[in-house]
Amino acid sequence: QKEVEQNSGPLSVPEGAIASLNCTYSDRGSQSFFWYRQYSGKSPELIMSIYSNGDKEDGRFTAQLNKASQYVSLLIRDSQPSDSATYLCAVSEGGSEKLVFGKGTKLTVNP
Amino acid sequence: DAGVIQSPRHEVTEMGQEVTLRCKPISGHDYLFWYRQTMMRGLELLIYFNNNVPIDDSGMPEDRFSAKMPNASFSTLKIQPSEPRDSAVYFCATKGLRNTEAFFGQGTRLTVV
Repeated sequence: QKEVEQNSGPLSVPEGAIASLNCTYSDRGSQSFFWYRQYSGKSPELIMSIYSNGDKEDGRFTAQLNKASQYVSLLIRDSQPSDSATYLCAVSEGGSEKLVFGKGTKLTVNP
Repeated sequence: DAGVIQSPRHEVTEMGQEVTLRCKPISGHDYLFWYRQTMMRGLELLIYFNNNVPIDDSGMPEDRFSAKMPNASFSTLKIQPSEPRDSAVYFCATKGLRNTEAFFGQGTRLTVV
């Protein structure tokens, strides 16, 4: 199975700071990339999707994709305590609809 | 739409018993995925369907696991016989078009004692 790697953390940032989450993937044929947020005891929910190289911004969130480096990142600006959760990177396997997830990075935003 | 609906939300069973987990996808979604989540292994894809047909079951851990999708509105994941190492949260997720995001159900927390 193709691999998706994330730093497990925990990542701790103060309120108002920028949180930076990173993800690398092994399948060069991957075309779709997603960031999910998962609160403890809850199901994953989609935050961002990105399909082409470059940046994509949505409110306080920016996803960055570099296919040449097989690297995806998520920036959270003006971090809030409510952003404290585990962030999962998901990548589609090339040629299929199979979504492979990283193990997640646990983020804590301290008030 | 109520989203992806899974039942039961919690299941506690004894080793050796049969367990059936259920999923109702979002109407119109053609893809359905079964995932298992544990602390050690994260979210693992077990099997996925397209238009009710199993496409990839390479993640099913062993023959004790089976999944069916008899129609577009319903899927089951069965474990028979269950073992303590099957304890995990099982998620069903569905999506519509190709290259779009998947939406998750609330999950079933399975405990095998």
